Amino acid sequence: DTEVTQTPKHLVMGMTNKKSLKCEQHMGHRAMYWYKQKAKKPPELMFVYSYEKLSINESVPSRFSPECPNSSLLNLHLHALQPEDSALYLCASSQDWGQGIDTIYFGEGSWLTVV
Amino acid sequence: QKEVEQDPGPLSVPEGAIVSLNCTYSNSAFQYFMWYRQYSRKGPELLMYTYSSGNKEDGRFTAQVDKSSKYISLFIRDSQPSDSATYLCAMRGSTLGRLYFGRGTQLTVWP
Repeated sequence: DTEVTQTPKHLVMGMTNKKSLKCEQHMGHRAMYWYKQKAKKPPELMFVYSYEKLSINESVPSRFSPECPNSSLLNLHLHALQPEDSALYLCASSQDWGQGIDTIYFGEGSWLTVV
Repeated sequence: QKEVEQDPGPLSVPEGAIVSLNCTYSNSAFQYFMWYRQYSRKGPELLMYTYSSGNKEDGRFTAQVDKSSKYISLFIRDSQPSDSATYLCAMRGSTLGRLYFGRGTQLTVWP
């Protein structure tokens, strides 16, 4: 069982809505990630937080706003999304950012549909 | 040329078959190699990870890395219908923190 918990599992939102995706891990990991995955494609990195600081932003549009309130929690705030933003949003964590044989563990994902 | 190449399949085999999944890569800086299994509408689940060239076995799964050829494989012995999923290879370098994924191979094991 994954130890990265994501809520909600499914979300339908209109283009003018504001919503948030939430992620929690209790493995003591200090790096957390948001990935986006479209159907039949591999996950694409969006953001990396290391020690609660944003380390990587893969040129993600500002309508996606990440937040890391503490080392166990990661949020993704959504505003004014487009239908093409509909995808599976995956949260992941690892012991550290890019160190040694550090492995990345994924949550089950949040299915987002923008209407 | 993509950094990581993986045949997307689909691959369909009978129960009990040996399955071979493969990825090639171009960046010699990659040192850590992972295989993830992803069931439909679920997040990727880490199956195997390796560092050095050679084989690593875990139950019915064997991961093989050949750094000289820039080629990695995942073998599944005695395949089961529950193995039906998409298998993603992923890799990164020691200083390159981000993971580079293959496209994923869709596997179906029929009873």
